[in-house]
Amino acid sequence: NAGVMQNPRHLVRRRGQEARLRCSPMKGHSHVYWYRQLPEEGLKFMVYLQKENIIDESGMPKERFSAEFPKEGPSILRIQQVVRGDSAAYFCASSPLEVNTEAFFGQGTRLTVV
Amino acid sequence: ILNVEQSPQSLHVQEGDSTNFTCSFPSSNFYALHWYRWETAKSPEALFVMTLNGDEKKKGRISATLNTKEGYSYLYIKGSQPEDSATYLCAFSGNQFYFGTGTSLTVIP
Repeated sequence: NAGVMQNPRHLVRRRGQEARLRCSPMKGHSHVYWYRQLPEEGLKFMVYLQKENIIDESGMPKERFSAEFPKEGPSILRIQQVVRGDSAAYFCASSPLEVNTEAFFGQGTRLTVV
Repeated sequence: ILNVEQSPQSLHVQEGDSTNFTCSFPSSNFYALHWYRWETAKSPEALFVMTLNGDEKKKGRISATLNTKEGYSYLYIKGSQPEDSATYLCAFSGNQFYFGTGTSLTVIP
């Protein structure tokens, strides 16, 4: 049973380009969470998704950021027109249906905007 | 977004010392409290999930307690070792996970 897979592990984008970060949850997990870790800070919640639904996107910037978790395929976090301040490590976690079980994390995607 | 607070923010202890830190969370709409260990350049690794008031969990030298009525959990490390150096995160799960900012532990040999 493979763990949570994130790719790419490292992503370099120029200012103004788009960044697409992918997260494949563990088999059987229907909940996906995205977090951002800025330098010298802890994990900040961005968005919580279930299959084909955004449950809570209160932590995600209103502009340039979007997320989806389609019926088939990985969850995608998309950042349009990236700026230097978007440089961070982006982690996703998945959990099964019950919220009192643990969430498992991927190894993160480190985005660098140059 | 709910507020989950961890203290202290960072901690340095000598090898062999025992230590503990705190996670405070809202006491309403509680489902579970999670502790994670996060080493630099790795992903957070689950340590404990606790659901019942008064729960105590133990894994080796690390243990945790839970008080859902007053909204706090303690993580204890007995006889700290250098390999315990990491950031320890707690997360409160209601309808989703809310993470604290972590306690960074450095164990000095």
